[in-house]
Amino acid sequence: GQQVMQIPQYQHVQEGEDFTTYCNSSTTLSNIQWYKQRPGGHPVFLIQLVKSGEVKKQKRLTFQFGEAKKNSSLHITATQTTDVGTYFCAGPSLNQAGTALIFGKGTTLSVSS
Amino acid sequence: DGGITQSPKYLFRKEGQNVTLSCEQNLNHDAMYWYRQDPGQGLRLIYYSQIVNDFQKGDIAEGYSVSREKKESFPLTVTSAQKNPTAFYLCASSKDSVNTEAFFGQGTRLTVV
Repeated sequence: GQQVMQIPQYQHVQEGEDFTTYCNSSTTLSNIQWYKQRPGGHPVFLIQLVKSGEVKKQKRLTFQFGEAKKNSSLHITATQTTDVGTYFCAGPSLNQAGTALIFGKGTTLSVSS
Repeated sequence: DGGITQSPKYLFRKEGQNVTLSCEQNLNHDAMYWYRQDPGQGLRLIYYSQIVNDFQKGDIAEGYSVSREKKESFPLTVTSAQKNPTAFYLCASSKDSVNTEAFFGQGTRLTVV
C-alpha cells in the first residue's frame, strides 16, 4: 500500500545549528501536511502544502513540496530548545474504501544548549 | 471552547478484558480518526470515519472496533483479540477527510497488564 517515509528518524543538534527532515511518498500526493508533537503531547498542525514546488515559511521554519508532489522537506534555521519534538509529515492515502490521512514515522529532534 | 476530547488520559486493564476509549469533538467535523502510537513507529491508522454511521478499516484494524452513531463521537473498543494493546492512542478530527488540518485529542495511554 501507499507509504510515507521520513528521514532521519532521529537528529541531535547543538542550539543554533540548522535541521532538515525529509518526507517521501510512494505515490503522488494532492497535498502534504506537517505536524509537531512535543514530548508528552499530541501532534499539532503546522502547515499544509498543495501546489507543486510550493515553498512556505513560518519564521525559522521553511517547508517545501517537490515538483513531482511526491516529496517534501522541513528546514529549521538556527534551532532553539523550543524546537524539540517529533516532526511528522502526513498525506492522503487512497484505498478501496475511502481516503484517510497517513503519517510518516516522524523525525525526533533533540537540541542541546 | 471548541476542541476534541479524549478520556481517560491513562487507562489500565487486565489482559483479556475489552476496553472502550472515548473521543468527542464539538468542532462539527465530518471526519474522525483513530491512530495508535508506539515508540519509533509514528502514527498508525486504526479506523477512520468520513460520515456518521460509516467507517473504514485502517492499516492495523485487527483487534479493534469502532462506532459512529453521532457526528460528535467516535469511540474505540480495544478487544481481547488485540495481541499487544499497550500503546498511546490518539483520536483526531478534520472538517473533511484529507484536505484540511487534523485536530488531535490529548491521547489515552492504555496499559494492559
